[in-house]
Amino acid sequence: DGGITQSPKYLFRKEGQNVTLSCEQNLNHDAMYWYRQDPGQGLRLIYYSQIVNDFQKGDIAEGYSVSREKKESFPLTVTSAQKNPTAFYLCASSTGQGAYEQYFGPGTRLTVT
Amino acid sequence: GENVEQHPSTLSVQEGDSAVIKCTYSDSASNYFPWYKQELGKGPQLIIDIRSNVGEKKDQRIAVTLNKTAKHFSLHITETQPEDSAVYFCAASIWWEYGNKLVFGAGTILRVKS
Repeated sequence: DGGITQSPKYLFRKEGQNVTLSCEQNLNHDAMYWYRQDPGQGLRLIYYSQIVNDFQKGDIAEGYSVSREKKESFPLTVTSAQKNPTAFYLCASSTGQGAYEQYFGPGTRLTVT
Repeated sequence: GENVEQHPSTLSVQEGDSAVIKCTYSDSASNYFPWYKQELGKGPQLIIDIRSNVGEKKDQRIAVTLNKTAKHFSLHITETQPEDSAVYFCAASIWWEYGNKLVFGAGTILRVKS
């Protein structure tokens, strides 16, 4: 998991509540990513940030929001607008964009009931 | 749209045997192909990757081959051990409006029986 921390490991929320997942890296990487993982599916990109104060929507951004105020931190908020929020969320970082190696954190399992 | 297909979805081998996982991709401009290993409840770990200017890369018991013409690449694990049991994901770089991103296969559950 080298240098990327995600907290908490497990998170439980009631439907209708917003929840923020933390991601911190000390690798001095410029780019950071959020992915969602569901059983039997590959990782799907939610948001991507190449530099501080800049981020782009990925393939499944609806119902999610992010901020990138510091290079080391890229928190993800799962809003009440996300229709099916229960999933395993993974944060990753890389030195550059896309074609460079991405390193993943340990993940946060979110359960919404 | 961009797509990466991965087969098989599950693979059971006897300890000491070889395991092969195959992926195909759709974007001919893809130029970077990583493989990740994910153990239960953990984040994926990069185990090997290959770029489009080479056809094969080895690292001890693990090798990856790439056929750009056919747009497929494979992971080969030799002399499998019980600790190789995990979920393996392939990915391919895809061009999008902000540069390159990775598109992942659906994963292969590898079970190594001792």
